[in-house]
Amino acid sequence: QITLKESGPTLVKPTQTLTLTCTFSGFSLSISGVTVGWIRQPPGQALEWLALIYWNDDKRYSPSLKSRLTITKDTSKNQVVLTMTNMDPVDTATYYCAHGNPAHFDYWGQGTLVTVSS
Amino acid sequence: DIQMTQSPSSVSASIGDRVTITCRASQGINNWLTWYQQKPGKAPKLLIYGASSLHSGVPSRFSGSGSGTDFTLTISSLQPEDFATYYCQQANSFPLTFGGGTKVEIK
Repeated sequence: QITLKESGPTLVKPTQTLTLTCTFSGFSLSISGVTVGWIRQPPGQALEWLALIYWNDDKRYSPSLKSRLTITKDTSKNQVVLTMTNMDPVDTATYYCAHGNPAHFDYWGQGTLVTVSS
Repeated sequence: DIQMTQSPSSVSASIGDRVTITCRASQGINNWLTWYQQKPGKAPKLLIYGASSLHSGVPSRFSGSGSGTDFTLTISSLQPEDFATYYCQQANSFPLTFGGGTKVEIK
C-alpha cells in the first residue's frame, strides 16, 4: 500500500524559503523506474507541476520556477524534500507530493496548504 | 512547453447521463495523456493513463481515448460520486503540464 504525506510550515513570510518534506511508504525510491513529484494548486485554480526526482537522483524542474526550486531525496528515510526560495504571496497554494510512474502520478499525498503572508 | 486545453470548462449533467470531456495538446504527445479526478478539498486521483488504460480500482464507466493531440474522457453513465473536477496532464515531455480542469456539476 503506497502512502505519501507532506509536512512543513503552513505560513511563511514573503522572501523566506519554504521547505516541504514528503514522507512515503509502500515503495522504495532506490528501485529503477520510481519517481516522486511535487505539484501545487493555488486556491480555486488548476494544478501546476513543480519538480520530479528519479530513483537514480536525476531531477527535473518547472522552467518557470527552476531558479527557486531544489528537490532532494533521502532514500534511507523514505523522504523527498522540496525547497522553494524567495516565497511570494502568489505562491500560496496546496502543495502535493505524489508517486510517479514515472511521469504520471498514481498515488498522491493529502496535500498541505502553504500561505505566504507577512 | 506543451499547452493542454480542456473543454468545456464546466458541464451540467444529470445522473445517468453520458459525459464527454476533451483535452487538446498544443503539439503531439503520442498517447502520453493522463486523466485525474479531484473532489473539493481532496487530492487528485488517477483515473486513466496512457490515454486509455484504466487505473486499478477505477470503475469501468470511465474510459479514455485519443492519440497525438486530441483526447477524450468519457463517463458512460454519470453517478453521484462522479461530480468533481477533472484534469488532463501530458506525460510526454518536460515540463509536465496540466489542463485547466473541467468541473462536472449537477443539473
